[in-house]
Amino acid sequence: GENVEQHPSTLSVQEGDSAVIKCTYSDSASNYFPWYKQELGKRPQLIIDIRSNVGEKKDQRIAVTLNKTAKHFSLHITETQPEDSAVYFCAASKEGAQKLVFGQGTRLTINP
Amino acid sequence: GAVVSQHPSRVICKSGTSVKIECRSLDFQATTMFWYRQFPKQSLMLMATSNEGSKATYEQGVEKDKFLINHASLTLSTLTVTSAHPEDSSFYICSGGRDYRTDTQYFGPGTRLTVL
Repeated sequence: GENVEQHPSTLSVQEGDSAVIKCTYSDSASNYFPWYKQELGKRPQLIIDIRSNVGEKKDQRIAVTLNKTAKHFSLHITETQPEDSAVYFCAASKEGAQKLVFGQGTRLTINP
Repeated sequence: GAVVSQHPSRVICKSGTSVKIECRSLDFQATTMFWYRQFPKQSLMLMATSNEGSKATYEQGVEKDKFLINHASLTLSTLTVTSAHPEDSSFYICSGGRDYRTDTQYFGPGTRLTVL
């Protein structure tokens, strides 16, 4: 089955700097890659997603890139703010299956 | 939007009792819902896929007789933890997709289960 690896497990960034989180997946049939932000005790919130027919997607300060050949995708957050501090999860699924396989999570801390 | 609710948000029970958690899609119909478990500082682990009108599909290692799932309607799925033990204490989260073709999952707020 699918296996998703996420790095780093923790990331500390100075406010205003950029943060990058990387994920790799094992199943070449996976074609949907969402990123979720989870604050302590709260539900995961979808922040951006990408499908395998595109290589990059951007939404204001957040962008995701996908390299299908290498089977990895990355989350980029620019101009980080304290409210970006949270745990971020990547995930992968196959078209129509909806079943998500999550990475291990990255605890992002933005230092003022 | 696509809103999923869960009830209760927190539950504390004695060892050996059963606990039922409800997951509702409020503004869409979900043919399929998913149940996840999340231990402290860990990732979300899929427990089972809940299919409306049919039996749930459980992930490897998840006991179907212990975690009973019922998906009686397109807006309601329930998870019952039977004979709960302290090791079942966890954060249980459900999710649903508005359109099976889009894959986008919307999560409920989660239920914190503590078994004494």
